Order: sequence, then structure tokens, then C-alpha cells
Amino acid sequence: QKEVEQNSGPLSVPEGAIASLNCTYSDRGSQSFFWYRQYSGKSPELIMFIYSNGDKEDGRFTAQLNKASQYVSLLIRDSQPSDSATYLCAVIGPGGFKTIFGAGTRLFVKA
Amino acid sequence: GAVVSQHPSRVICKSGTSVKIECRSLDFQATTMFWYRQFPKQSLMLMATSNEGSKATYEQGVEKDKFLINHASLTLSTLTVTSAHPEDSSFYICSASTRAGQIGNTIYFGEGSWLTVV
Repeated sequence: QKEVEQNSGPLSVPEGAIASLNCTYSDRGSQSFFWYRQYSGKSPELIMFIYSNGDKEDGRFTAQLNKASQYVSLLIRDSQPSDSATYLCAVIGPGGFKTIFGAGTRLFVKA
Repeated sequence: GAVVSQHPSRVICKSGTSVKIECRSLDFQATTMFWYRQFPKQSLMLMATSNEGSKATYEQGVEKDKFLINHASLTLSTLTVTSAHPEDSSFYICSASTRAGQIGNTIYFGEGSWLTVV
């Protein structure tokens, strides 16, 4: 089992729809959770971070964390073609040093 | 968010030469930085963890004598690709940790460096 798992996609949604990206992690002691967006040929850009169970909203983005289920998700409301990218889930494990990245989910938003 | 700057963004070098890539944290001190390599359409691959004032920790399969990492200050880490060969051509990305080992630690990435070895 991989430490951080994501569906590789591609996930295709129409413009204006909600895109839902999911991630599971194996280390129950993990403490910090991140979503990065990576456009082709560019480096990852931090979108959201979440430390506590529940939802965290920032503009069109909502991160959801469920530590009991070891699950973190990212919702993108009113998806735009410019949201088309690879989304990376990252988890910092116990101790706060080691960061594990998922392989990423490719999202396509169709105009 | 915090800013991490990487330079150069693109570099072309001849086979057999060495090339240095710099990674700077501009508005915070980073005791820990990370170096990644990414081939087209593939995932990030962690090469090494760079710790200020000590030796880097390399991932399995990464040649430490070929990929020299120096983290001489709290804001600068360098990666030197020695005796570069065409197969070393890739996208190299650094990241920096804002509060390594603490709650609230966040990782920010540099812009990346495209290396082409001809």
C-alpha cells in the first residue's frame, strides 16, 4: 500500500461543475495535509493546507479532512478551464519532517 | 505564502560538465530543503533532503557523488549536477520547509529548473 494514494485520473468535469479530488493516507499519526496544483511544465503551487478534522474553505476551494478515515479531499466549485492541472496531495507525517506526496490526479475542465 | 526562488530556470550544458542550481527561501529561514526531479508526465521524485549545516540525506538510488548538495545557510541550498549526461536532463525542483518538525510546517516550492544536457 502506498503511503499517500490518489486516483491518477484523468478526472473530467464540465465548466461550472464541482470537481472532487480524493486522497487517502496510511500513517494514522500524520499531522498536516496539503493540496498543490501543478500545471504542465511548472512546479507545484500550494492551494490549501488543513490540520484539523472538518472543512476549510478558501474561495472556490474547500479542503476536507477526516482523520478517522484517513481521508482528505479537495472540492473545486465553479470549475474553470484554468483549473485544468495535476493536483497533488501531500501529507506530513508524525514528527513534522517527512512529507509524502501522492502521484497526483489530472483534472480536465471542459469549456 | 512564503516565497522560494530557484535559479536558473533553464540551463543547457555540455555533456561532462557540471551545473549548479540554487534554491533560496526569500522571506523565511529554512533549516530543511528538498530536491526533486521530475521527468515529463511523471511524478515528483524526491532526490535528497538538505539540512542546514549538515550533510544531505539522499534517497535510495540517488548518487550522492553525482548530485552534490550544499546547504550552507538558512536561506540557500544548492544542487550541483556533476559530469552531467543527457540522461540527467530533467526538471529539477526544490522546496523549503517553513517550520520543520513543528506543527504548522508547510512546504513551498521553487519555480523549478529545466536542465538540458547536450
